[in-house]
Amino acid sequence: SQTIHQWPATLVQPVGSPLSLECTVEGTSNPNLYWYRQAAGRGLQLLFYSVGIGQISSEVPQNLSASRPQDRQFILSSKKLLLSDSGFYLCAWRQGAANTGELFFGEGSRLTVL
Amino acid sequence: AQSVTQLGSHVSVSEGALVLLRCNYSSSVPPYLFWYVQYPNQGLQLLLKYTTGATLVKGINGFEAEFKKSETSFHLTKPSAHMSDAAEYFCAVIRSGGFQKLVFGTGTRLLVSP
Repeated sequence: SQTIHQWPATLVQPVGSPLSLECTVEGTSNPNLYWYRQAAGRGLQLLFYSVGIGQISSEVPQNLSASRPQDRQFILSSKKLLLSDSGFYLCAWRQGAANTGELFFGEGSRLTVL
Repeated sequence: AQSVTQLGSHVSVSEGALVLLRCNYSSSVPPYLFWYVQYPNQGLQLLLKYTTGATLVKGINGFEAEFKKSETSFHLTKPSAHMSDAAEYFCAVIRSGGFQKLVFGTGTRLLVSP
């Protein structure tokens, strides 16, 4: 069966520090991968998605970047965090071919920028 | 573009009462529709989905939803609420044939009182 792992689960960082959140999917190959951010009371905002290694699509201009160095690894990064980067970050995957569109989510990473 | 509207950011019910969470969608082509549940500090879990075929869809934990094209709705129901149903619920839509992005509503928090 497929599983998705995110880490770290919780992170407290000062303003201006770098960020790296990692996400790994197991039990499948060539998944579509996604990063969402969930801010308090604002639903889920799609940040990035990737359909293959090295292929990243950005949904909104922001202080963050994403990379996909391996087929089942997706990394969310920032060089200098802002207060507004605080939130709950969710990684998700879906099967890339012949599917009905649903996403499967990781457990999330809560980032607090102070 | 596809979108979903969830009416009511909070819904309160008593244990044993009917649960009704409302979702209306906007889509120029046949949509695929989803309901997800999120417990505190966790990722999203798929409750149920509608793609094609039967318009009444049954999901996990006793939930079901009915796709009504004439009303552009996909409301989530459960005959009898349980304390463990207290969570946040998200409706989502994706255009059939377009498999890149899932668009989420802003969520409805379900509160269950004894």
